[in-house]
Amino acid sequence: SQQGEEDPQALSIQEGENATMNCSYKTSINNLQWYRQNSGRGLVHLILIRSNEREKHSGRLRVTLDTSKKSSSLLITASRAADTASYFCATDEASGSRLTFGEGTQLTVNP
Amino acid sequence: DSGVTQTPKHLITATGQRVTLRCSPRSGDLSVYWYQQSLDQGLQFLIQYYNGEERAKGNILERFSAQQFPDLHSELNLSSLELGDSALYFCASSPNPGDGQPQHFGDGTRLSIL
Repeated sequence: SQQGEEDPQALSIQEGENATMNCSYKTSINNLQWYRQNSGRGLVHLILIRSNEREKHSGRLRVTLDTSKKSSSLLITASRAADTASYFCATDEASGSRLTFGEGTQLTVNP
Repeated sequence: DSGVTQTPKHLITATGQRVTLRCSPRSGDLSVYWYQQSLDQGLQFLIQYYNGEERAKGNILERFSAQQFPDLHSELNLSSLELGDSALYFCASSPNPGDGQPQHFGDGTRLSIL
């Protein structure tokens, strides 16, 4: 079963704009991870944020985590056409065990 | 390239048949995870092995089984296949459970049941 929900399900923006995706989850977590999946391909790990962290940056990515609200957001700044993909959040409840994935956000960046 | 290798990339077979999916983890990773991705169920965790031993089990059907060998590669066996088993099957690996490290995914095996 899915841990949580992602919002929006689909997002279409122009190159250069920022994209924000949100994820909510239901249980206590050890960490939360964001992955990207290009159509029909494997998942690529983007960033991991631990439960005691509130914000993390990696290049054009910014992730926030609010454990009191059981939610996270992924911000991609200055988007590029190559960012077009599905983005999934995944929660790790027990550190190194199974990942529970959200339903994903389909991001389309128009050139 | 994640370093995780899955074979075959595509598999087409018929209902009632049995198939084996293979996964080689990243060098040095001891833990292997199997996931199923389908349109109706999304990404679902199936099973995890660590250093040859089963560590966690998810929504894995009794018709499915897996193992991890001494060289750390893993196989997922699917038997008595049904149309609903058509999906993308991913293998992922990580170093040691408990470190909170990300999982690295292979490109998957696309299984089509006719």
